[in-house]
Amino acid sequence: AQTVTQSQPEMSVQEAETVTLSCTYDTSENNYYLFWYKQPPSRQMILVIRQEAYKQQNATENRFSVNFQKAAKSFSLKISDSQLGDTAMYFCALNSGGSNYKLTFGKGTLLTVNP
Amino acid sequence: NAGVTQTPKFQVLKTGQSMTLQCAQDMNHNSMYWYRQDPGMGLRLIYYSASEGTTDKGEVPNGYNVSRLNKREFSLRLESAAPSQTSVYFCASSVAMNTEAFFGQGTRLTVV
Repeated sequence: AQTVTQSQPEMSVQEAETVTLSCTYDTSENNYYLFWYKQPPSRQMILVIRQEAYKQQNATENRFSVNFQKAAKSFSLKISDSQLGDTAMYFCALNSGGSNYKLTFGKGTLLTVNP
Repeated sequence: NAGVTQTPKFQVLKTGQSMTLQCAQDMNHNSMYWYRQDPGMGLRLIYYSASEGTTDKGEVPNGYNVSRLNKREFSLRLESAAPSQTSVYFCASSVAMNTEAFFGQGTRLTVV
């Protein structure tokens, strides 16, 4: 079975500062994909960033970047220059192949950006 | 661009009633999923369909049934609703099982 663990239920950051959200995972597969999703109060699930396990280079999307440590099975999300609109629930997710095809989510981290 | 469309957006049921949540995607995706979201639990997979004609149980399938009607549509049925099924339900789809999923806007279901 694959698992995703987010150990920080809530975090807060001041506007314009940088914050890092943690995620660890477990899978027996070698080929897999990792994602961070954002869920604002509107409830919509929005893809923030994705990382393929076979790529060593960390993915980056504007102010969002990841620190992917494959050996440690760690996949943290860094948000730079935090904005009020970044306030949301953030979910880490794992999608692995083999006989265990499914998208598994962590329990989420509620991030609040303070003015 | 409609993406993934779920209906209804809100629903209140009495215990024992049945209902079907509808989901349709217009992105020609092969795989579709149903999740439920509860406070402190994240999203938990109920059922998924890797491709048209196939369905498989996820983490919490009890009390639910699904139908992959065609490539576009994947419905979730509650035969006899229970208060424990009060939740927000999300339908999602992806090109393949190893790519990112796109989500509908969710259905808030309350069973009283």
